[in-house]
Amino acid sequence: AQSVTQLGSHVSVSEGALVLLRCNYSSSVPPYLFWYVQYPNQGLQLLLKYTTGATLVKGINGFEAEFKKSETSFHLTKPSAHMSDAAEYFCAVTRRGDKIIFGKGTRLHILP
Amino acid sequence: DAGVIQSPRHEVTEMGQEVTLRCKPISGHDYLFWYRQTMMRGLELLIYFNNNVPIDDSGMPEDRFSAKMPNASFSTLKIQPSEPRDSAVYFCASSFGLTGELFFGEGSRLTVL
Repeated sequence: AQSVTQLGSHVSVSEGALVLLRCNYSSSVPPYLFWYVQYPNQGLQLLLKYTTGATLVKGINGFEAEFKKSETSFHLTKPSAHMSDAAEYFCAVTRRGDKIIFGKGTRLHILP
Repeated sequence: DAGVIQSPRHEVTEMGQEVTLRCKPISGHDYLFWYRQTMMRGLELLIYFNNNVPIDDSGMPEDRFSAKMPNASFSTLKIQPSEPRDSAVYFCASSFGLTGELFFGEGSRLTVL
């Protein structure tokens, strides 16, 4: 069975500081990994994805994530936080031909 | 191209009433998903369809919930009778293939009094 664990339901960072949202996964086969973002009163939208190939994946709005098989991790980072990054972020895992499993989400707060 | 369209955006009803939520997926997508989001339980997959056929309804909470997809461009999620614990935001999402790349609608916020 596949699963994802997001560490921290709330994370606060100052504007301009590094953003680091943690995600660990469990999968018995090579996983496909995703980060989705949900802005207030909106649906989720895809931020970035890893399927195969390069383990450092770049997404929209300056976010990136690195697939580390040895650590079973797929942490999301952004060098410099912006007020507009305040949202809820969901890590997700699937495998070829299977339904996607979402984590419980991490709400990112940006402090002025 | 239009995204996933859901209606209504907001619904307030009284306990015991029937509620019908509607979804129009992105044209050409062959998978459609219904999710429920609450503060307590997070994002839950209720049911998903492939080419209009229900594939997995194990997340449907109970018999009061039903979902249909009569054609490739329309799906409904019905709750009858509704209860206050059904209050949540219900999302519809669609995808082309089972790849993990889902496109979500803006959600239907249901309040059952």
